[in-house]
Amino acid sequence: DQQVKQNSPSLSVQEGRISILNCDYTNSMFDYFLWYKKYPAEGPTFLISISSIKDKNEDGRFTVFLNKSAKHLSLHIVPSQPGDSAVYFCAAPMNRDDKIIFGKGTRLHILP
Amino acid sequence: DTGVSQDPRHKITKRGQNVTFRCDPISEHNRLYWYRQTLGQGPEFLTYFQNEAQLEKSRLLSDRFSAERPKGSFSTLEIQRTEQGDSAMYLCASSLSGQRKTQYFGPGTRLLVL
Repeated sequence: DQQVKQNSPSLSVQEGRISILNCDYTNSMFDYFLWYKKYPAEGPTFLISISSIKDKNEDGRFTVFLNKSAKHLSLHIVPSQPGDSAVYFCAAPMNRDDKIIFGKGTRLHILP
Repeated sequence: DTGVSQDPRHKITKRGQNVTFRCDPISEHNRLYWYRQTLGQGPEFLTYFQNEAQLEKSRLLSDRFSAERPKGSFSTLEIQRTEQGDSAMYLCASSLSGQRKTQYFGPGTRLLVL
């Protein structure tokens, strides 16, 4: 049973527009969420996080929104740039040991 | 470069052979994690160390897999009698101990079992 779900395998967005990547989770014990970005032939790179006591966290062009009642979070990228083309993973650490549970990822294509 | 490094980056082997991968974490990090990623999936947790102690192993880690971190620095992941289903990207990450410490990933070792 997937505890972190990313239901869109891919997304194409025009350069300069907003990219919105969605994520749902099932485990009510999750209290912290992460987004990682991955380029081909590289490991995932930490992008942004959010604690469950907040509903929004912003870092430059990246904003993550959390809706606890819906068990849903989203990553907004504004404006989208060509270098944002990558696979984005939604994730949550499990237990005190912080092993990370990842979603399957969404491949974002930024179109010129 | 003081990031996480992994060696080799690519490995092709025949079914039944043994393979060993190495991970060098960021030097001051005392936690080290191994994950596996297959096509179309996100990384899946395999095992982790705090210093030299292996504290948790996923049920994904069959008896053919063994991991060590002998001096609390680098780690090795060995797969014995490889099977085609072992073909995957093996990712290593490191962090400081404590909750919600960012895990920094290495570039991974891509294994292909023929």
